[in-house]
Amino acid sequence: DVKVTQSSRYLVKRTGEKVFLECVQDMDHENMFWYRQDPGLGLRLIYFSYDVKMKEKGDIPEGYSVSREKKERFSLILESASTNQTSMYLCASRWEREQFFGPGTRLTVL
Amino acid sequence: GDSVTQMEGPVTLSEEAFLTINCTYTATGYPSLFWYVQYPGEGLQLLLKATKADDKGSNKGFEATYRKETTSFHLEKGSVQVSDSAVYFCALSDHAGNMLTFGGGTRLMVKP
Repeated sequence: DVKVTQSSRYLVKRTGEKVFLECVQDMDHENMFWYRQDPGLGLRLIYFSYDVKMKEKGDIPEGYSVSREKKERFSLILESASTNQTSMYLCASRWEREQFFGPGTRLTVL
Repeated sequence: GDSVTQMEGPVTLSEEAFLTINCTYTATGYPSLFWYVQYPGEGLQLLLKATKADDKGSNKGFEATYRKETTSFHLEKGSVQVSDSAVYFCALSDHAGNMLTFGGGTRLMVKP
């Protein structure tokens, strides 16, 4: 079975802090994604990566950056966390047309 | 651009009731269509999919048929259980299969 893991299930940070969210997949998938999930808005794509060191902006990249130094790991970075970044963050990897999701990180920014 | 619209919830049903969650889409080309389910405290899991018109996806008693003429992919189940309580997302992938566009999600609550 494909496994996508995320470093934390719950995270509480303060405004202005730098925040790292880590995602690891074990199936050698080339494509990885970061989404945020908010009530009524579904999932919105923040960034995706189709190869090591390659990244593309999604629909809502403002305030975020990403890093993909190794194929299995895709990190989401909040350079200076703000309260409007309080959300559920979901990572996924893709094989053909199917995406496999991690359990999510619920981030609260105070 | 591509978009997915699904009925707003919550949908509250009694156990063994019939379930329909409506989903319609707007897309260019020939997208694939998906239903994902999110149980409390967990990430999304693929429930079923259909890759071309008139295909029927099915899994765990759930079904959905890809209707190109009505641009719809409604989710149905004949008899829901309490364990089906979750949030359901309809999604489509672009013609290249690279990106997913999600609907807003529908929360289903099944009471004993």
